[in-house]
Amino acid sequence: QKEVEQDPGPLSVPEGAIVSLNCTYSNSAFQYFMWYRQYSRKGPELLMYTYSSGNKEDGRFTAQVDKSSKYISLFIRDSQPSDSATYLCAMNRGSTLGRLYFGRGTQLTVWP
Amino acid sequence: ETGVTQTPRHLVMGMTNKKSLKCEQHLGHNAMYWYKQSAKKPLELMFVYNFKEQTENNSVPSRFSPECPNSSHLFLHLHTLQPEDSALYLCASGGTGGEDTQYFGPGTRLTVL
Repeated sequence: QKEVEQDPGPLSVPEGAIVSLNCTYSNSAFQYFMWYRQYSRKGPELLMYTYSSGNKEDGRFTAQVDKSSKYISLFIRDSQPSDSATYLCAMNRGSTLGRLYFGRGTQLTVWP
Repeated sequence: ETGVTQTPRHLVMGMTNKKSLKCEQHLGHNAMYWYKQSAKKPLELMFVYNFKEQTENNSVPSRFSPECPNSSHLFLHLHTLQPEDSALYLCASGGTGGEDTQYFGPGTRLTVL
């Protein structure tokens, strides 16, 4: 079983839709959870960062962590064509030089 | 220049060539990382350096040789590569606490002919 599972999609939605992106994980030691956005032919860009369980909101983006279910989500409200990218979840154990464990990434297209 | 920079952005090389990838971070971080990103696969961690010392080598073939002369610079020396080594090579930097995340450069798109 992979440590981090993420559906690669692709996911295609109309502009203005609410997008839900998810990852599951198997290692209960993970404490820090991140979402990265990667545009085509670019490096990943840190989008959201949360610690332990709970919600974090930043503009149109909300990150949720449910450690009891080993499940994390990223919600995008009022999605825009500029949100079209690959979204990668990442997490770490908090004790290993920040070594990150990544999902495969979900490819999202928002069409006007 | 800010953040993490990588050069070259694109590289085409034959299997007998020797080339080097360069990474520089301007974030004051202590740790630097090399990742390989192939199509449809998760990011693969290759090497980790902490304060210039290599702390992790993720079973990477010896045709990839990293070098970290100081906490701000990281190189990846390439020789006798195979076509399956064609990928996007990403450099990242970060702190060394568990709560520190990583910041990525734009990557070098490598094609091995």
